[in-house]
Amino acid sequence: QVQLQESGPGLVKPSQTLSLTCIVSGGSIISDGYYWSWIRQHPGKGLEWIGYIYHSGATYYHPSLQSRVGISVDTSNNRFSLNLRSVTAADTAVYYCARLFWSDHYFDSWGQGSLVTVSS
Amino acid sequence: SYELTQPPSVSVSPGQTARITCSADALPKQYAYWYQRKPGQAPVLMIYKDTKRPSGIPERFSGSSSGTTVTLTISGVQAEDEAEYFCQSADITGTYVTFGGGTKLTVL
Repeated sequence: QVQLQESGPGLVKPSQTLSLTCIVSGGSIISDGYYWSWIRQHPGKGLEWIGYIYHSGATYYHPSLQSRVGISVDTSNNRFSLNLRSVTAADTAVYYCARLFWSDHYFDSWGQGSLVTVSS
Repeated sequence: SYELTQPPSVSVSPGQTARITCSADALPKQYAYWYQRKPGQAPVLMIYKDTKRPSGIPERFSGSSSGTTVTLTISGVQAEDEAEYFCQSADITGTYVTFGGGTKLTVL
């Protein structure tokens, strides 16, 4: 069974770039039919989809974040990454990586989540 | 954008039936999916394509759909079912994902 694990700094200063990596184990990131995703949850709020990437590099981003977000994939090391530029306190959230089964459009595997706080 | 609305909280006693709704604000409605999230744990898919249950999910969890509302029903609620439940769907193109605000299920 595929497992995902987020890693990255838990504290980022305002205006800087938030960077997280998701390490995929128990399965290949180049499996057909799966997109690799980032989702976040602000404190006390619902989940917010950020974007996803296919192993080919094709990406889709949430329209409200598109100008600041970048997702990349490293097929050699079976991982993918999130960069969110020019962060503010409003970007403080638990960030999850997850695998999306494209044909039925659901997330079948998730990481445990990584809390990122934006503060000076 | 495509919005999904859930009640913030639902409370039931053990053994009772809990129903959690998720309403879309626009037609046509895409399929809906339900996730369970317990504190400190990864979310788990409970229902997909409105009514289908993944292997390993207890039979007491079921999903239904009527019009623009989908419902997660938990029959014979157990203490271990206390968690937050999220619905998820996609826009008309099937490209962009949206989530409901989440419902906290409390087992009294």
